[in-house]
Amino acid sequence: AQKVTQAQTEISVVEKEDVTLDCVYETRDTTYYLFWYKQPPSGELVFLIRRNSFDEQNEISGRYSWNFQKSTSSFNFTITASQVVDSAVYFCALSGSISNFGNEKLTFGTGTRLTIIP
Amino acid sequence: DGGITQSPKYLFRKEGQNVTLSCEQNLNHDAMYWYRQDPGQGLRLIYYSQIVNDFQKGDIAEGYSVSREKKESFPLTVTSAQKNPTAFYLCASRLPGSTGANVLTFGAGSRLTVL
Repeated sequence: AQKVTQAQTEISVVEKEDVTLDCVYETRDTTYYLFWYKQPPSGELVFLIRRNSFDEQNEISGRYSWNFQKSTSSFNFTITASQVVDSAVYFCALSGSISNFGNEKLTFGTGTRLTIIP
Repeated sequence: DGGITQSPKYLFRKEGQNVTLSCEQNLNHDAMYWYRQDPGQGLRLIYYSQIVNDFQKGDIAEGYSVSREKKESFPLTVTSAQKNPTAFYLCASRLPGSTGANVLTFGAGSRLTVL
């Protein structure tokens, strides 16, 4: 069974501070994919990043960076110099091997509500 | 612009009534999904459909029904058998092919409240 744990339910930081959102996963698959989605107050989830299990290289996109460590089954997300627009709920998610007709279910964590205080 | 349209955004229902949530996409995506979001529980899969006229149950399908008569449309009916229907419902679709597999595009959601 797959499981995603986001232990931080809510985080508040002052604007311009850095913040890291934790994600720990469990899976028996050797090939799997990890995702981060952002849910702003408007409700729709916005895709941020997908990483496959064979690629442990960290990734940076502007103020966002992701640290994938298979040894600790973690896929943490850091926002540098946070801004008020970063306030949202962030979800980490996991899926197994991709096939055209298999179960492509995403397993989501419970989310972390991030509030950036002006 | 391409995207997913969910309607209504807010819906109130009396106990014992069925209600249908609409989901329409113009992205030409093959697969479509319905998720339910409750506070503190993340997203849970209700139903998904990979092609027209075919759909599979997700983790919490009891009390729900779907249809997929057209590629663009994947309506969800919340029946009176659903014991706790008050929730936020999200529809999603997926890019075809392995390069985009499992990257979901979401609608803005429908909030259902049972009175």
